Amino acid sequence: KAGVTQTPRYLIKTRGQQVTLSCSPISGHRSVSWYQQTPGQGLQFLFEYFSETQRNKGNFPGRFSGRQFSNSRSEMNVSTLELGDSALYLCASSLTSGGPSADTQYFGPGTRLTVL
Amino acid sequence: GEDVEQSLFLSVREGDSSVINCTYTDSSSTYLYWYKQEPGAGLQLLTYIFSNMDMKQDQRLTVLLNKKDKHLSLRIADTQTGDSAIYFCAESPSGGSYIPTFGRGTSLIVHP
Repeated sequence: KAGVTQTPRYLIKTRGQQVTLSCSPISGHRSVSWYQQTPGQGLQFLFEYFSETQRNKGNFPGRFSGRQFSNSRSEMNVSTLELGDSALYLCASSLTSGGPSADTQYFGPGTRLTVL
Repeated sequence: GEDVEQSLFLSVREGDSSVINCTYTDSSSTYLYWYKQEPGAGLQLLTYIFSNMDMKQDQRLTVLLNKKDKHLSLRIADTQTGDSAIYFCAESPSGGSYIPTFGRGTSLIVHP
């Protein structure tokens, strides 16, 4: 069974641009959650999608958005990029919503975004 | 707001026990989690504990929760070099929502 895949793995953008990152969950998983990891702020939860609906949301500005498709693949979008958006973006998939206490999460390798 | 604190580094000798500590401030925390991140690898959930439990054991891992002091610890018995990684503590509030707040991570270094 294939694991969680994230594309692209590396990305370089400039300030003011927008970016879309993709996450394909493990087959059969319906929940996808997104995280941002930076040296300054550490690891932070962005949002979780389940069955095409956003279920939970962290404390990020509206520039960060996401969506989930009927095949459970998820995308996150960051508009008007800032230097501070440079980070490793991780996604995780699981069968159900509610975090790891509800069901095991499996993480992807991440997308490394650099904003110049 | 919620805050989760961890010490940044821990160094132990192979075969010894490691204890990684974490404190949190949100008294409504329902679940507390431990994640592991190895160099160049993704994140991995190690274990979690529900706030009405004091202890949870899973093979070499023991989680202790002192809810009164809002203190969580992860004990790794017989620590191996393969345990070298960054360990993150996280808490999530009550109400059924998964909205974790993470600590900054403790870098565990295991030397022979």
